[in-house]
Amino acid sequence: QVQVVESGGGVVQAGKSLRLSCTASGFTFSSHAMHWVRQAPGKGLEWVALISYDATNKYYADSVQGRFTVSRDNSKSTIYLQMDSLRPDDTAVYYCATATITGGALLYWGQGTQVTVPS
Amino acid sequence: QSALTQPASVSGSPGQSITISCSGTNSDIGASNFVSWYQQHSGKAPKLLVYDVYERPSGGSGRFSGSKIGTTASLTISGLQSEDEAIYYCSSYTTTSTLLIFGPGTKLTVL
Repeated sequence: QVQVVESGGGVVQAGKSLRLSCTASGFTFSSHAMHWVRQAPGKGLEWVALISYDATNKYYADSVQGRFTVSRDNSKSTIYLQMDSLRPDDTAVYYCATATITGGALLYWGQGTQVTVPS
Repeated sequence: QSALTQPASVSGSPGQSITISCSGTNSDIGASNFVSWYQQHSGKAPKLLVYDVYERPSGGSGRFSGSKIGTTASLTISGLQSEDEAIYYCSSYTTTSTLLIFGPGTKLTVL
């Protein structure tokens, strides 16, 4: 069955960097775009980034543009989120999710990884 | 701050049907057929219920249905069950600099 597992979260000082990983299995990883979505404590969902199936297209939320970088390694069925210049308002659970084949929705989600940036 | 508007809460009794609205603009829902709905139980990851306005994922429950008129999308849940108690989020692709946005979420209480 499909599995999506995020890792790499933790507590990091403001201004520092962190890299999240997301490994998926149970489907043809190289055929699917992938998303990162985050959820701050007690808040709703916020879309963060999208990477196309072949990494040629990448999109970011305005709130992370220029600070976060998404990448993927299809040979490892893994995507990454490099987060630089972290701020306290980046504190959230970060979810990785596969896009549907049509690309318009987030089909399979991981359980998330917590990122905390103390103020 | 979401550009999509959802009611903060809705409620219904077991067996009833309820509808959750998601109001947007001509830059998101009005311009896209990539409208989706997600269910999130407390402490859990979101789950896709409806995508591309009215499509259901393979194996998805037929009690959840989606629709769209103009700049407003709707999710209808029929035959309410206690396990439907959760927060429901709509989302839409946009024509702005932010590719995808979520609504603020609607908390469903099953009485």
